[in-house]
Amino acid sequence: GESVGLHLPTLSVQEGDNSIINCAYSNSASDYFIWYKQESGKGPQFIIDIRSNMDKRQGQRVTVLLNKTVKHLSLQIAATQPGDSAVYFCAESPGNQFYFGTGTSLTVIP
Amino acid sequence: DAGVIQSPRHEVTEMGQEVTLRCKPISGHNSLFWYRQTMMRGLELLIYFNNNVPIDDSGMPEDRFSAKMPNASFSTLKIQPSEPRDSAVYFCASSFPRGRGTQYFGPGTRLTVL
Repeated sequence: GESVGLHLPTLSVQEGDNSIINCAYSNSASDYFIWYKQESGKGPQFIIDIRSNMDKRQGQRVTVLLNKTVKHLSLQIAATQPGDSAVYFCAESPGNQFYFGTGTSLTVIP
Repeated sequence: DAGVIQSPRHEVTEMGQEVTLRCKPISGHNSLFWYRQTMMRGLELLIYFNNNVPIDDSGMPEDRFSAKMPNASFSTLKIQPSEPRDSAVYFCASSFPRGRGTQYFGPGTRLTVL
């Protein structure tokens, strides 16, 4: 029979453009969120986090936006570079555990 | 710091054999997590420890899976007997403070059960 697997959302952007990766979370009790980057053959790598008492947080070339009303999280990457090509996961935490989304595959076109 | 260390990086075994995956967390981190990643199910939390004590093992698939953390610098995940459907990448992650700190992942162990 045909196997069914996760179909990762994909995003292709031109080098130098800005990227926006979206994530919908499910638990309204979640009060801490993290974005991870996973390159092929490697473990997830922390990018940026945000707590629920904030709606925006900026890092180096990255910005995370949190909209608790609609339970939505986004990651913005400025001036996307080829090295940004990876799968990006959001994770939500309502307590001591973390729950990961399925991820978005970002491809940067040189 | 060397980061989270996992061994082996790759493991190929036959169905029915025992498999032991190893993890050394980052020094000073007091929480340790075992995850499994597959194309079918994505990244799943199997079990996590705080201060060497298992807190939640509800993600462990079945009795064939067991995890131990005998001290703050070492943990094992054992599968006995292994089955082909256990084939996946297994990640260990550690964090500080208890549970809510940023998790730092190891490079993973790619397990193939034939």
